[in-house]
Amino acid sequence: EPEVTQTPSHQVTQMGQEVILRCVPISNHLYFYWYRQILGQKVEFLVSFYNNEISEKSEIFDDQFSVERPDGSNFTLKIRSTKLEDSAMYFCASSTSGSEYNEQFFGPGTRLTVL
Amino acid sequence: ILNVEQSPQSLHVQEGDSTNFTCSFPSSNFYALHWYRWETAKSPEALFVMTLNGDEKKKGRISATLNTKEGYSYLYIKGSQPEDSATYLCAPSSARQLTFGSGTQLTVLP
Repeated sequence: EPEVTQTPSHQVTQMGQEVILRCVPISNHLYFYWYRQILGQKVEFLVSFYNNEISEKSEIFDDQFSVERPDGSNFTLKIRSTKLEDSAMYFCASSTSGSEYNEQFFGPGTRLTVL
Repeated sequence: ILNVEQSPQSLHVQEGDSTNFTCSFPSSNFYALHWYRWETAKSPEALFVMTLNGDEKKKGRISATLNTKEGYSYLYIKGSQPEDSATYLCAPSSARQLTFGSGTQLTVLP
């Protein structure tokens, strides 16, 4: 069964460093998403992406964050200058369409630890 | 920002017991409600996408109902098994984003 994959599973970085989290969405999906969960808090929406453009973003997704689909398979989240409060589990998801009625398929997450 | 509440926060049941949890959400501007099952160290797995008031969906021993007028959904598990132990998340969707509740953590004791 096709699945969303994410690498690495755990990333440790120093405050101020740039990190890139990588995702490979399901191959025929067209919409891609990033969510995050800070320990002990709810899973929060960051951004949705379609046709090489951001379609929606939350107020969390500020100028420190960017997303890219550098080739036909990868979808990346870049954090330019990490802060302690960026430590969280980051989930990638994909769906066939952007409809509210459409299932979003999630990857297993990347745990980011900022020291 | 949608306020999505789930209760209880955690639940311990004996194998064979039936159980249910609640998700409440704002009833205005409702599009769809998603239920996910999330086991530790795995991907959240979609269980149901529910759209219509009175909707009832079933997958094996798990079923869910939806009341969009009053803004709640129930998830039921019949005859719980240890493999049902997981966190169950609900999330209404709007503007291509899911707004998650904090989840109900279910532990089924053998």
